[in-house]
Amino acid sequence: GESVGLHLPTLSVQEGDNSIINCAYSNSASDYFIWYKQESGKGPQFIIDIRSNMDKRQGQRVTVLLNKTVKHLSLQIAATQPGDSAVYFCAENIGSNYKLTFGKGTLLTVNP
Amino acid sequence: GAGVSQSPSNKVTEKGKDVELRCDPISGHTALYWYRQSLGQGLEFLIYFQGNSAPDKSGLPSDRFSAERTGGSVSTLTIQRTQQEDSAVYLCASSPRLSGGNQPQHFGDGTRLSIL
Repeated sequence: GESVGLHLPTLSVQEGDNSIINCAYSNSASDYFIWYKQESGKGPQFIIDIRSNMDKRQGQRVTVLLNKTVKHLSLQIAATQPGDSAVYFCAENIGSNYKLTFGKGTLLTVNP
Repeated sequence: GAGVSQSPSNKVTEKGKDVELRCDPISGHTALYWYRQSLGQGLEFLIYFQGNSAPDKSGLPSDRFSAERTGGSVSTLTIQRTQQEDSAVYLCASSPRLSGGNQPQHFGDGTRLSIL
C-alpha cells in the first residue's frame, strides 16, 4: 500500500500466520526489484530480489511475486515470527541505472 | 569487517556547524552509495561512487553537501553550515559493482544526525 504523510501502512499478524506485504511500483521500465527489512536503529537488510523476466522467486520462508501488468510486487513471509517485526521496503531499479528507488515502507508487527 | 561500517553512529551538533560522516564499504566493493532517510520515510538517494569517481551529484540536496572517496574504499559525506532540515539518518551502501541487473546494495546502520 501507499503511505500518507509520516504514517506507514501497517500490518499486524499473529505468530505462525503467513504475512503478505504489498508494494506498487511506479516505473514500467523497472527491471530489477529488491525487498529490504529494516529493524529499529539498523540499516536496511537485503531479503530477496527478483528480475523482471520472472514472476516468482522463493527464498527461505519468503516468496516474492511480481505482476508487471499492474506494476505490483508482494513479499510473502511464511510462519511469521516475532523476529520478523520490522519495516519492509521494496526498491526498484532500471537497467544499468545505479539508483534504487525505494517505496515508503510497511510496518509489520508480529503478535506472540 | 564483514559489513558496511559507518561512523559516528550518532551525531548531535548545532545549527551552522559542519559535519563529516564516514563510510567503510565491504572490502572489494567498487560501488558505494549514500542515502538519506527522514523519520518514517523511505530512502532518498544522494550520490554514488564508482571507484573514486562520482559521475552524478544531482541527488545532493544543496551545495552545502559534498562527498568524496579515496583509494576506492572509504567515503566521507560532508555537510557544511548545517540546517535543522538536515536532521536525518544518513545511510551508506556498497555493491560489488554498480547496481543494475542483479546487484543488491548492502547497507550500513547509518549515522543519525540531529541538528539543534
